[in-house]
Amino acid sequence: AQSVAQPEDQVNVAEGNPLTVKCTYSVSGNPYLFWYVQYPNRGLQFLLKYITGDNLVKGSYGFEAEFNKSQTSFHLKKPSALVSDSALYFCAVRDLRGGADGLTFGKGTHLIIQP
Amino acid sequence: NAGVTQTPKFRILKIGQSMTLQCAQDMNHNYMYWYRQDPGMGLKLIYYSVGAGITDKGEVPNGYNVSRSTTEDFPLRLELAAPSQTSVYFCASTPGQGGSGANVLTFGAGSRLTVL
Repeated sequence: AQSVAQPEDQVNVAEGNPLTVKCTYSVSGNPYLFWYVQYPNRGLQFLLKYITGDNLVKGSYGFEAEFNKSQTSFHLKKPSALVSDSALYFCAVRDLRGGADGLTFGKGTHLIIQP
Repeated sequence: NAGVTQTPKFRILKIGQSMTLQCAQDMNHNYMYWYRQDPGMGLKLIYYSVGAGITDKGEVPNGYNVSRSTTEDFPLRLELAAPSQTSVYFCASTPGQGGSGANVLTFGAGSRLTVL
């Protein structure tokens, strides 16, 4: 079965510092990996995805993610954090179970950027 | 372009009552999904549909039903509401297999349901 794990419930970063939100995956076959962000009282918004190609994927709002096949990881990164980046972040993997072709999500990581 | 629209945004139900959460998308997407989000648990798939007239169960379907009579609409029905169904419900859609938009889900703003 496809699954993703986000080992940190919360990550605290000072504004202007680099940030990393961790994600590891377990899939059979080639992974399709995604990051979504959720602001309070809103739906999830797509940030970026990895399907194939370069291991470093660039997405919205200055975020990027690095695919590492040997470590089965897909960590989300940003060189300089903004207070407005504070939100709930979800890692997800494509899930073909039963023909749904949807996504299986991690439990989410709260990112808190301190001024 | 409205994207995915969910109604109502908030609802309080009594145990045993029934209701329908509405979801509509205007992007001509074939695939639609219903997820529930509980604190610290991520999102769990309730039901999905790969096209009009086709629906199937996800990971947590018990206590729910869906229908897909048109491409645009995918309502979620709760029968005999229970406190365990207190959650935030999200509808999402995607074009379907193939193409650059495949697997990129567009989410609605959510419907917060409380069962007392």
